[in-house]
Amino acid sequence: DAKTTQPNSMESNEEEPVHLPCNHSTISGTDYIHWYRQLPSQGPEYVIHGLTSNVNNRMASLAIAEDRKSSTLILHRATLRDAAVYYCILRDGNTGKLIFGQGTTLQVKP
Amino acid sequence: ETGVTQTPRHLVMGMTNKKSLKCEQHLGHNAMYWYKQSAKKPLELMFVYNFKEQTENNSVPSRFSPECPNSSHLFLHLHTLQPEDSALYLCASSQTEGQNYEQYFGPGTRLTVT
Repeated sequence: DAKTTQPNSMESNEEEPVHLPCNHSTISGTDYIHWYRQLPSQGPEYVIHGLTSNVNNRMASLAIAEDRKSSTLILHRATLRDAAVYYCILRDGNTGKLIFGQGTTLQVKP
Repeated sequence: ETGVTQTPRHLVMGMTNKKSLKCEQHLGHNAMYWYKQSAKKPLELMFVYNFKEQTENNSVPSRFSPECPNSSHLFLHLHTLQPEDSALYLCASSQTEGQNYEQYFGPGTRLTVT
């Protein structure tokens, strides 16, 4: 299974944009880039996913490098409720397995 | 509320006890999953069921026994557990296995084995 590398932790100020990086240099052509987040005392929740093009939804934006070896999750205006562990996952397009790493713990300061 | 419920939310059991964890999804999904989340470790996939058939057993010890009587319910039967089995057990569901259908997770059962 292809691996992702994320910083262990990041800090942000409330109402400022946050850019969460992810490296996945061994990505294969059939791997989709998925992001999930886990708020304290909850199960993970889906945030966004993409293959090659940048993606936007109501929660976030996903910017994917042209060579697909890295991506960035963008929260446009961080709120205190966005404090969570963010997981960048390469999901095999055939098997659909989610292989979680350690993720990035995001702290949002008021 | 994700549409996936788990009971109980907390469980303390001795090493000789037998207990069961229950998961129910109200989303009309056909795939259900058990994950284990230990302290300081990433989530580990344990079992996958697709249309009630087990399609994945990720080398899980036999003291964990899953059951999927229908597409809406998933159980994890526990017996003679070890203290290192203490963890958060998460259930998830998705429309079907494979593809890129997002998984919806329940809140988890916090299990402590004494």
